[in-house]
Amino acid sequence: AQSVTQLGSHVSVSEGALVLLRCNYSSSVPPYLFWYVQYPNQGLQLLLKYTTGATLVKGINGFEAEFKKSETSFHLTKPSAHMSDAAEYFCAVSSYSDRGSTLGRLYFGRGTQLTVWP
Amino acid sequence: GAVVSQHPSRVICKSGTSVKIECRSLDFQATTMFWYRQFPKQSLMLMATSNEGSKATYEQGVEKDKFLINHASLTLSTLTVTSAHPEDSSFYICSARSLTSGRGSEQFFGPGTRLTVL
Repeated sequence: AQSVTQLGSHVSVSEGALVLLRCNYSSSVPPYLFWYVQYPNQGLQLLLKYTTGATLVKGINGFEAEFKKSETSFHLTKPSAHMSDAAEYFCAVSSYSDRGSTLGRLYFGRGTQLTVWP
Repeated sequence: GAVVSQHPSRVICKSGTSVKIECRSLDFQATTMFWYRQFPKQSLMLMATSNEGSKATYEQGVEKDKFLINHASLTLSTLTVTSAHPEDSSFYICSARSLTSGRGSEQFFGPGTRLTVL
């Protein structure tokens, strides 16, 4: 079974400050990990993903995340927040398995609403 | 590349009518499509997984006779909400996954459809 926990449903930062959105996962198999961003009334846009290889993953808009297996974490960071970063962020876990219909299924966290103050 | 469209983007209907939502992969063949439902300020709930040419697999608690899913081609899946009621009002998002080009388990999301049932 796989699941995701996002600590903090709301995070507020000042423009220019560090952004840290927390994500912990549970997975019985090697995970694929994703961060998505959602703007109001829109679908999800992939920020970055970890599959295999380098544990520090860089994504779009200056975001990055580090896969820490020992901590089962995949926290999202950005050194300097911008007003345009205000949105809902979802962490998700999946697995690549050639067994049955669960192939590629994503399990989402509850989301974290990021507010950026001027 | 990897663009997924949804139509319509917004629909308002009367209680008791049926509504069809289309999900199309525009530049790749989607072997699997997923349908999600999102309530305000909440995460995405997977409703069903559909594989081209076979019956959809519904999540527990999702009425298959209420939410009809058809995945007749590698680029089109449809979700029909039958005899819609106000409690069906929600944001419906589809995603599509391809096994080609080494995309692994990545899903590409549509922009969503806002359904309002009066």
